Amino acid sequence: QKEVEQNSGPLSVPEGAIASLNCTYSDRGSQSFFWYRQYSGKSPELIMSIYSNGDKEDGRFTAQLNKASQYVSLLIRDSQPSDSATYLCAVIPYGGATNKLIFGTGTLLAVQP
Amino acid sequence: GAGVSQSPRYKVAKRGQDVALRCDPISGHVSLFWYQQALGQGPEFLTYFQNEAQLDKSGLPSDRFFAERPEGSVSTLKIQRTQQEDSAVYLCASSLVDRGRARTQYFGPGTRLLVL
Repeated sequence: QKEVEQNSGPLSVPEGAIASLNCTYSDRGSQSFFWYRQYSGKSPELIMSIYSNGDKEDGRFTAQLNKASQYVSLLIRDSQPSDSATYLCAVIPYGGATNKLIFGTGTLLAVQP
Repeated sequence: GAGVSQSPRYKVAKRGQDVALRCDPISGHVSLFWYQQALGQGPEFLTYFQNEAQLDKSGLPSDRFFAERPEGSVSTLKIQRTQQEDSAVYLCASSLVDRGRARTQYFGPGTRLLVL
């Protein structure tokens, strides 16, 4: 079992719809969770970070964390074609002294105009 | 300010050749990470520096991989006797020093290595 799991997609949504991206992780003690967006041929850029159970909103993006279920999600409201990219979930496992990120394989999102 | 820079952006190497990849982190960022991203996969951790000290090299896939950061700023990832399976994008990321909550890691554009 991989430490961080995501559905590879592609997830196709129409423009203006809500895109829901999901991620599960295996290390129950993990404390820090991140969503990165990666356009084709580009490097990852941070979209959201979340550390506590519940929701965190930033503009059209909402991250949701449920530590009991070891589940983190990203909602994108009013999806735009420019949101089409691969979304990487990343976790910092418990006990790590170096804060290295453990990434999932990413979910490819395609927003159809 | 300037972000993380990496060079070269693209490198084609013949199998068995040695390569050196450079990373210039954001000024003042103490922490520096190297990741390897294969096609269709998420980045995988290779090694971590805090200043000039290499505190974690658990992700380096073999002893052909070597990284250094001698003055606590620029870092070089060296791959000796390259193999085809080394073909990937090598990403460098930097962050402020870790105190308590994990700091945001900012990624460079990556070096795309192709071994023929």
